[in-house]
Amino acid sequence: DGGITQSPKYLFRKEGQNVTLSCEQNLNHDAMYWYRQDPGQGLRLIYYSQIVNDFQKGDIAEGYSVSREKKESFPLTVTSAQKNPTAFYLCASSTLPRAELFFGSGTQLSVL
Amino acid sequence: QKEVEQNSGPLSVPEGAIASLNCTYSDRGSQSFFWYRQYSGKSPELIMSIYSNGDKEDGRFTAQLNKASQYVSLLIRDSQPSDSATYLCAVNRGEDTGRRALTFGSGTRLQVQP
Repeated sequence: DGGITQSPKYLFRKEGQNVTLSCEQNLNHDAMYWYRQDPGQGLRLIYYSQIVNDFQKGDIAEGYSVSREKKESFPLTVTSAQKNPTAFYLCASSTLPRAELFFGSGTQLSVL
Repeated sequence: QKEVEQNSGPLSVPEGAIASLNCTYSDRGSQSFFWYRQYSGKSPELIMSIYSNGDKEDGRFTAQLNKASQYVSLLIRDSQPSDSATYLCAVNRGEDTGRRALTFGSGTRLQVQP
């Protein structure tokens, strides 16, 4: 089955720790995205990538980092510089030029 | 002014009624518009996309776009309790710059009463 796989489903971060969220897609989509959702809020763009080895900052990139070494994979690292990381993180992908996003099932990140 | 604005609700309608959800956007250069449905604790799923002025129908759903007034709406006919969810409006910004990333509204929570 084609789709977007995010792991883990739940993740806990200790203070000062970096954590990495995984996102893999087998839809052969060119573009991949990371969004953050806080309770009762809409989605805010963290980073996105339209081609391998290239990515752009979104609206709230501070405290996060990404890589795009393979077309299928777009991992997100939440660094210790992100002081309020508790949120629901959503990975998405799309074909280009249309940006109809298809989402993974999400990762809920909490701070211990 | 937020880039994409929605009434947070909740919008409560009786089963079988028409639910009307509205969204306004600020970037006049936007060309692509989307409606997503999100159940609590789940990821958003695409319901409708619309690219030109007018109406687009798909089953019980109709999306309406008015670029001159910068609003997009979603009508749900014969509303069912299973339609109870948060509906997110999303707009593709930067069409003329090649930057393709959706900006989302904060969502409208719909409650369909049996």
